[in-house]
Amino acid sequence: AAGVIQSPRHLIKEKRETATLKCYPIPRHDTVYWYQQGPGQDPQFLISFYEKMQSDKGSIPDRFSAQQFSDYHSELNMSSLELGDSALYFCASTIGGTGELFFGEGSRLTVL
Amino acid sequence: GQNIDQPTEMTATEGAIVQINCTYQTSGFNGLFWYQQHAGEAPTFLSYNVLDGLEEKGRFSSFLSRSKGYSYLLLKELQMKDSASYLCAVRGERGSTLGRLYFGRGTQLTVWP
Repeated sequence: AAGVIQSPRHLIKEKRETATLKCYPIPRHDTVYWYQQGPGQDPQFLISFYEKMQSDKGSIPDRFSAQQFSDYHSELNMSSLELGDSALYFCASTIGGTGELFFGEGSRLTVL
Repeated sequence: GQNIDQPTEMTATEGAIVQINCTYQTSGFNGLFWYQQHAGEAPTFLSYNVLDGLEEKGRFSSFLSRSKGYSYLLLKELQMKDSASYLCAVRGERGSTLGRLYFGRGTQLTVWP
């Protein structure tokens, strides 16, 4: 069965650079969530989209922005990267914000 | 606010049964999830409870009591590969949060031979 696809899987950037992470939800899923997980931490909610509109916002820095496109894939744009942004970034999807929620494999961002 | 508590660590031996408890206090409730996560990997969906009672899936079962704000994950016939972190997550009420999950800190389970 198709799962949530994230790219790239690994990304290395330097401070003050920008990075873009992509997420392709499970087919027919219309709701996408972005989570950030630092080492030894639980996943922290960043932002979510439902039917291409932002539906909820968590602890997402102003340096970050995201959107969901017409094909329901989503992109997380991160600018002016800081060392503390090094983390695993997970995307998850579901239908209408209900039911089972599945995570992608994650994108590991390392900021040097 | 949201408060989800689960033990930090647990240990058990191969073949045994272990129960991981989770208590929660959230401003709304629309379901409770259990995920398994190996270090550096994505959380893997294990179970979803929205009504009171027990949900069984092979070696894994999950129980929910909404009135007590309590859930547990039961793992039977433990295997070495079950060594992982187990995350309890509560889905907020519908409306503005639209299904956001609030996670506990995770329970690191170590299975010994």
